[in-house]
Amino acid sequence: KAGVTQTPRYLIKTRGQQVTLSCSPISGHRSVSWYQQTPGQGLQFLFEYFSETQRNKGNFPGRFSGRQFSNSRSEMNVSTLELGDSALYLCASSLTGLAGYTGELFFGEGSRLTVL
Amino acid sequence: DAKTTQPTSMDCAEGRAANLPCNHSTISGNEYVYWYRQIHSQGPQYIIHGLKNNETNEMASLIITEDRKSSTLILPHATLRDTAVYYCIDLIQGAQKLVFGQGTRLTINP
Repeated sequence: KAGVTQTPRYLIKTRGQQVTLSCSPISGHRSVSWYQQTPGQGLQFLFEYFSETQRNKGNFPGRFSGRQFSNSRSEMNVSTLELGDSALYLCASSLTGLAGYTGELFFGEGSRLTVL
Repeated sequence: DAKTTQPTSMDCAEGRAANLPCNHSTISGNEYVYWYRQIHSQGPQYIIHGLKNNETNEMASLIITEDRKSSTLILPHATLRDTAVYYCIDLIQGAQKLVFGQGTRLTINP
């Protein structure tokens, strides 16, 4: 079956702009979570959605937001971009999320954002 | 912050077993140990997880010490495609997020 699809794969923005990234989970998966990966901070959790509701949020400013649609597709938005937002943004899907306790998240290949 | 510690890097010869250690000395009774790996330019990939018993699947084996303060991931016959960063994570049951540390960069040499 098809894996997790993230679009766009690469994008370049300038400071102050906003960006929207999209994630299509594996068919049937209802949980989508987002992670940011930078060389300095590594992989950090942003937020997790399940059935259109945000269940958990990481320690990021309010400029980072997300949502999930009824078909489980998710988007994340970063407003007023800063240079430090340059990163690989990874989306992961699972049937029920980590609470369901299989521990297996399926990650996409990420969206690489460069802020100039 | 991550609660596990791993060596920064390791090397292993192709065809040999790769043994990756992880310390999780503050792990509590309801926390599981998970292993993921990230091959360059790809998203992380789940490998295996366990609570207190040793586990094996088609990818690897996980050996957890009796006191649960450390574990070892074993790739029995490493190939060049196993070159990746390996992350050991402890996860509280019911938590909704993975807390990644810096991981171990494993290089498989021909």
